[in-house]
Amino acid sequence: DAKTTQPNSMESNEEEPVHLPCNHSTISGTDYIHWYRQLPSQGPEYVIHGLTSNVNNRMASLAIAEDRKSSTLILHRATLRDAAVYYCILRVNYGGSQGNLIFGKGTKLSVKP
Amino acid sequence: GAVVSQHPSRVICKSGTSVKIECRSLDFQATTMFWYRQFPKQSLMLMATSNEGSKATYEQGVEKDKFLINHASLTLSTLTVTSAHPEDSSFYICSARDPASYYNEQFFGPGTRLTVL
Repeated sequence: DAKTTQPNSMESNEEEPVHLPCNHSTISGTDYIHWYRQLPSQGPEYVIHGLTSNVNNRMASLAIAEDRKSSTLILHRATLRDAAVYYCILRVNYGGSQGNLIFGKGTKLSVKP
Repeated sequence: GAVVSQHPSRVICKSGTSVKIECRSLDFQATTMFWYRQFPKQSLMLMATSNEGSKATYEQGVEKDKFLINHASLTLSTLTVTSAHPEDSSFYICSARDPASYYNEQFFGPGTRLTVL
């Protein structure tokens, strides 16, 4: 599975935007970029995913570089409940079959009131 | 999104006993389920993948005789930690793939915290 690199930790102030970066320079054409987050003592929660185009949903936005070697998860207004570990994962998709989700170390986001 | 439940949420047992953890997909049929383990301050590690009605596929380094996985129905998978020891204490998380979702999405349970005394 292709590897991703994320900062170990980031801090944000409440109600300010947060940009969480992820590098994936060895991404292949069949890899989707997935983001999950894990709140303390809970299972991971799906946030967003994309292939080439930027994506928006109710939780976040995903900006994907033109060469796909990096991406950024954007939380438009951080809340205290957004404090979690955010995982950027490359997931293979071939012929409709999805690869397994392999978690890296992720970025621990702290949100200050 | 789809819901995956786990039971129990936490369990404390004595060394040498066996512990069974259940994972259920509540509103969808999961042909594939996954079991992960997470030690404190570490990331999730995939232990095994199970498909309904067939034997589980274990990741390298995971003892299949120690971590017994049964995926007997499309909504239930169980993980049994046999002869548990303190080093097996961890947060066990199951996940289920919904084949009916557009991107074959994977949903996670809330986790089971196992403490072996």
